[in-house]
Amino acid sequence: DAKTTQPPSMDCAEGRAANLPCNHSTISGNEYVYWYRQIHSQGPQYIIHGLKNNETNEMASLIITEDRKSSTLILPHATLRDTAVYYCIVRVAFKIEAAGNKLTFGGGTRVLVKP
Amino acid sequence: GAGVSQTPSNKVTEKGKYVELRCDPISGHTALYWYRQSLGQGPEFLIYFQGTGAADDSGLPNDRFFAVRPEGSVSTLKIQRTERGDSAVYLCASSFGEMGEQFFGPGTRLTVL
Repeated sequence: DAKTTQPPSMDCAEGRAANLPCNHSTISGNEYVYWYRQIHSQGPQYIIHGLKNNETNEMASLIITEDRKSSTLILPHATLRDTAVYYCIVRVAFKIEAAGNKLTFGGGTRVLVKP
Repeated sequence: GAGVSQTPSNKVTEKGKYVELRCDPISGHTALYWYRQSLGQGPEFLIYFQGTGAADDSGLPNDRFFAVRPEGSVSTLKIQRTERGDSAVYLCASSFGEMGEQFFGPGTRLTVL
């Protein structure tokens, strides 16, 4: 079963920041938080990941709470092309067994960026 | 550079037929994954290869599903005696190393009539 909880959908205004929440209250100390997104009719696309520190790249920022039980993905200036389903995933940080390499997707958040 | 490619992009078959779906990973990527995505749901893991061997096939739903990666590069997902419930988008992903970021292909949409 997916180990994360996300709102099923949210709207965002073009040009504004989009803040996507994710709850992962059962996360283990050796698990990363990963974010992927899936634009319609395409395969999922990696966005960002983090362990406990906040992370930023050219696509987004990831804010992880101090207790690591939740996180927020921030798209700083949403564009129409950011309309997609966003998946928050927890994944083991190092190999314990082979099964830890897979990604376990939940339902994601369907984000609609409106003009 | 070239990303992950999958062929065919669409496959329509009849119930009971055999199908093969192909994945060409990014050159140099040692890890390869297959996922299946039903309409309105997130992708579900099927099988993971590290090199030529299947390191984890726990997601294969039954023995009608089989995958190979004979030379550690291209992989083929094989489905025997297809059923209507097999209709889905089959996604392939590859990564450099076991824990690397996974890059996904566009998927193959399989429709079983």
